Amino acid sequence: EVQLVESGGGLVKPGGSLRLSCVASGFSFSNAWMNWVRQAPGKGLEWVGRIKSKTDNGTTDYAAPVKGRFTVSRDDSKNTLYLQMNSLKTEDTAVYYCSTGVGWGQGTLVTVSS
Amino acid sequence: DIVLTQSPDSLAVSLGERATVNCKSSQSVLYNSNNKNYLAWYQQKPGQPPKLLIYWASTRESGVPDRFSGSGSGTDFTLTISSLQAEDVGVYYCQQYYSTPSFGQGTRLEIK
Repeated sequence: EVQLVESGGGLVKPGGSLRLSCVASGFSFSNAWMNWVRQAPGKGLEWVGRIKSKTDNGTTDYAAPVKGRFTVSRDDSKNTLYLQMNSLKTEDTAVYYCSTGVGWGQGTLVTVSS
Repeated sequence: DIVLTQSPDSLAVSLGERATVNCKSSQSVLYNSNNKNYLAWYQQKPGQPPKLLIYWASTRESGVPDRFSGSGSGTDFTLTISSLQAEDVGVYYCQQYYSTPSFGQGTRLEIK
């Protein structure tokens, strides 16, 4: 069974940084393309970024609102996906999910507020 | 970037009746080399993460009831629930994975 567990969310001031983690189990993590998706309170789903598997060169892609501020990375030895978020803005407030497409975590809440 | 537009934004259907959600893409998501449409449908209930229902536009995910079906090709797609059950209430999203992924704005489905 695919399991994804996010952590690292919390309250941060505008301009601050936060790193989210997502621990995966139940599937071949190293072969999976992994995504971060967020959902602002009461709003729809917004794709944030992804990282391909190392066999597909491990390249990353980002949504325009976060490009240059967020970085997706992975540690296949730890079955863990990361999202480094810098220069955070109030509009980044959301629940952040990691996902394979089929499997989703329960999400971690990031609140950006002064 | 590919923009997905869903219609309607909200929908109220009686139990046992058919529910239909549409998704229009700003460009084709049909990959000609394999004749597959890179389009998925998700269901999200309050307080829960999304759940994959349909992928490749019309393939049901394992365990998804057969009252859910997907159709369409190219730029126009439809999710149909043939006989609405109470547990189907939620928000439905289409997503394309032809290029960098994007979601439609969502369609809220309620019981009439």
